[in-house]
Amino acid sequence: KAGVTQTPRYLIKTRGQQVTLSCSPISGHRSVSWYQQTPGQGLQFLFEYFSETQRNKGNFPGRFSGRQFSNSRSEMNVSTLELGDSALYLCASSFPGQLNTGELFFGEGSRLTVL
Amino acid sequence: GQQLNQSPQSMFIQEGEDVSMNCTSSSIFNTWLWYKQDPGEGPVLLIALYKAGELTSNGRLTAQFGITRKDSFLNISASIPSDVGIYFCAGSPGDRDDKIIFGKGTRLHILP
Repeated sequence: KAGVTQTPRYLIKTRGQQVTLSCSPISGHRSVSWYQQTPGQGLQFLFEYFSETQRNKGNFPGRFSGRQFSNSRSEMNVSTLELGDSALYLCASSFPGQLNTGELFFGEGSRLTVL
Repeated sequence: GQQLNQSPQSMFIQEGEDVSMNCTSSSIFNTWLWYKQDPGEGPVLLIALYKAGELTSNGRLTAQFGITRKDSFLNISASIPSDVGIYFCAGSPGDRDDKIIFGKGTRLHILP
């Protein structure tokens, strides 16, 4: 069973540009969550999508957006990049049942560097 | 908002030593989880705890779900070099519409 796939793995952008990151969840998983990981802040929740709908959102500015497609694949976009957006962006998928158990399957992440 | 206080932030230990780390919260969680992140990888689930007071083992790892549902600990016995990495605790309120909260991680270093 293939794991969560994130592309690209590494990218370098300059301030003011925008970036789109992609995530393909494990087959059969319908929930996709995105996290930003930085050395000082740990894993910060960005948003969660389920059946093409945003179900939860973290405390990030509107420059951060996402979407989910009918095949459960998800993308996140960051516009007008700032130096502080340099981070590892992690995608996680899960098979949501009646309860949110917290059992997430993470991809290897997309490491974004903003110059 | 909800926060998890994870300690210690980092640990330097000798190979073979036991390790203990913990997580506390001001909020109640219905599930506590522990993840490990190896360098260059995404976090991987180690142990999930679903019931207050539950004590669960996975090989050399043991974790407990606190009775108050506001804390959890993870122990690693007889550490080996491959235990190096970052360990994250996470709490899930249990409601499908609630988000999962992560601690800031404990970075484990093993001295040769």
